[in-house]
Amino acid sequence: GAGVSQTPSNKVTEKGKYVELRCDPISGHTALYWYRQSLGQGPEFLIYFQGTGAADDSGLPNDRFFAVRPEGSVSTLKIQRTERGDSAVYLCASSLLPGAYNEQFFGPGTRLTVL
Amino acid sequence: GDSVTQMEGPVTLSEEAFLTINCTYTATGYPSLFWYVQYPGEGLQLLLKATKADDKGSNKGFEATYRKETTSFHLEKGSVQVSDSAVYFCALSDQGGSYIPTFGRGTSLIVHP
Repeated sequence: GAGVSQTPSNKVTEKGKYVELRCDPISGHTALYWYRQSLGQGPEFLIYFQGTGAADDSGLPNDRFFAVRPEGSVSTLKIQRTERGDSAVYLCASSLLPGAYNEQFFGPGTRLTVL
Repeated sequence: GDSVTQMEGPVTLSEEAFLTINCTYTATGYPSLFWYVQYPGEGLQLLLKATKADDKGSNKGFEATYRKETTSFHLEKGSVQVSDSAVYFCALSDQGGSYIPTFGRGTSLIVHP
């Protein structure tokens, strides 16, 4: 079956611009996670949705970052006034249910480059 | 807070060599422990996991044992193949908290024929 998909696969933007990154989770998965992975680092948690609501957004670095999941499936990560330090691979994952015992399935990521 | 420390890479081995990638952790509770693998051009995949002390996770010839006394979860494989070349991430998830995994920095494995 289809896995987690993310679009675009690559995004190049200029400093100060607005970007949206999309995640399509596995159908029926209620939990959705966003991570950011900088070069040479492991993924860092940004935000987690259970259904339509953000259950934990403690990883968002500042108020330029925002994410939505209006219908409980597709999610969009939005970054305003991008900065060069935002350059990273943004990963999305989904799981059937939340919790440590439920495997997270990861998408291939969106590589964001801010010039 | 919770943290995971992995050995630095790259680890370079010849085919059929024995593999160990060290992982130690710091956690306030009793976490679940995971190894994820990222093959070139692909997303992270769960390789194996262990949810309590002395549990052994295994998959595809890889094994790791949850050692509470040494706070370790080292990844081992008896005979690596070229197709095992990838980046391996150790991670923990606090079962009593938000169960958001904390990842190590990753260890690159390169296996030569």
